Amino acid sequence: QKEVEQDPGPLSVPEGAIVSLNCTYSNSAFQYFMWYRQYSRKGPELLMYTYSSGNKEDGRFTAQVDKSSKYISLFIRDSQPSDSATYLCGLSNFGNEKLTFGTGTRLTIIP
Amino acid sequence: ETGVTQSPTHLIKTRGQQVTLRCSSQSGHNTVSWYQQALGQGPQFIFQYYREEENGRGNFPPRFSGLQFPNYSSELNVNALELDDSALYLCASTGTSGSYDTQYFGPGTRLTVL
Repeated sequence: QKEVEQDPGPLSVPEGAIVSLNCTYSNSAFQYFMWYRQYSRKGPELLMYTYSSGNKEDGRFTAQVDKSSKYISLFIRDSQPSDSATYLCGLSNFGNEKLTFGTGTRLTIIP
Repeated sequence: ETGVTQSPTHLIKTRGQQVTLRCSSQSGHNTVSWYQQALGQGPQFIFQYYREEENGRGNFPPRFSGLQFPNYSSELNVNALELDDSALYLCASTGTSGSYDTQYFGPGTRLTVL
């Protein structure tokens, strides 16, 4: 079993829809939870960063962490075609230590 | 833009050859990590350097080695290349986002082994 599981998709939704992206994990030592966006043939770009449990909102993006269920989510409201990318969850024990990633979910927003 | 740069952008090598990839960290970042991302997969941690010393290593064989220089730039060296080494190699430097440290990635070097 992988430490971090993420549905690879692909996921296609119409423009304006709410998108839900999720990861599950098995290592209870993870304390830091990141979401990265990766466009084709580019490096990952940090989107959201959450420490421990709870919610965090930044514009159209909301990250949720449920440590009791070992489940993290990223919600995108009012999705735009420019949101089309691969979304990676990355988890670590400490913020400056190695990140363990999911496989990434490929998202397409249809105009 | 994260301020992390990598060179070269693309590279083609043959099996058995050796390769060196380079990374310049964002200014002020003294920790650099290297990851391997195979096609359709998430990045896999190779190793991390902090102030020129290796500070953690993932499940990669010794033919993957690295260096960090006094200016915090870094190199990844891979010897005896294998076909499975074909991947996007990512460098990340550690900086502070809000109250916590996090990792900022460069654009990557795409390595093809024939």
